Amino acid sequence: DGGITQSPKYLFRKEGQNVTLSCEQNLNHDAMYWYRQDPGQGLRLIYYSQIVNDFQKGDIAEGYSVSREKKESFPLTVTSAQKNPTAFYLCASSPIATDTQYFGPGTRLTVL
Amino acid sequence: AQRVTQPEKLLSVFKGAPVELKCNYSYSGSPELFWYVQYSRQRLQLLLRHISRESIKGFTADLNKGETSFHLKKPFAQEEDSAMYYCALSAMDSNYQLIWGAGTKLIIKP
Repeated sequence: DGGITQSPKYLFRKEGQNVTLSCEQNLNHDAMYWYRQDPGQGLRLIYYSQIVNDFQKGDIAEGYSVSREKKESFPLTVTSAQKNPTAFYLCASSPIATDTQYFGPGTRLTVL
Repeated sequence: AQRVTQPEKLLSVFKGAPVELKCNYSYSGSPELFWYVQYSRQRLQLLLRHISRESIKGFTADLNKGETSFHLKKPFAQEEDSAMYYCALSAMDSNYQLIWGAGTKLIIKP
């Protein structure tokens, strides 16, 4: 454990509001990822970044946005355009894209 | 498109019995396969990857390209093995991003 932190652990949002989930890593990893985890489904990739100032859409990027201004940080914004945002969000990092991914503890977002 | 299938959502076995968690994949090239595990109240973490050919916590997994499978096995289950297990695939065609199975919840009964 350690190395990747996500905050907050629980987050509540009203419909129509944007919200930003934090992900920080001190592992000096180049690659970072955001996943969404829903019951009965595997992890689905939202966005990933292989290097600072660059990121790519994953399978379910609609309604989400990211930035990668620093190597250590990869925040995810869930916008009001996301139709069904209530979910568990996991952040991960890896030394390079082909390597083992290390996961944060997750943030559970609930839209009220 | 690449796909990973874990046919069992739930698997329940008695302590000391053998365990096999199934994972099938669809990919025509040479994938890299992983098993990740999530114990209760812990983070998702790597259990093993086929390229390393290691045995972790008594678990092994063999890549069978003919059957496109990567089943996870352990000869004698322990109660601490109870967890959620995910199989994942990495391939050049998907820019090496992990493709995940839906997961299997393993319950070891005392």
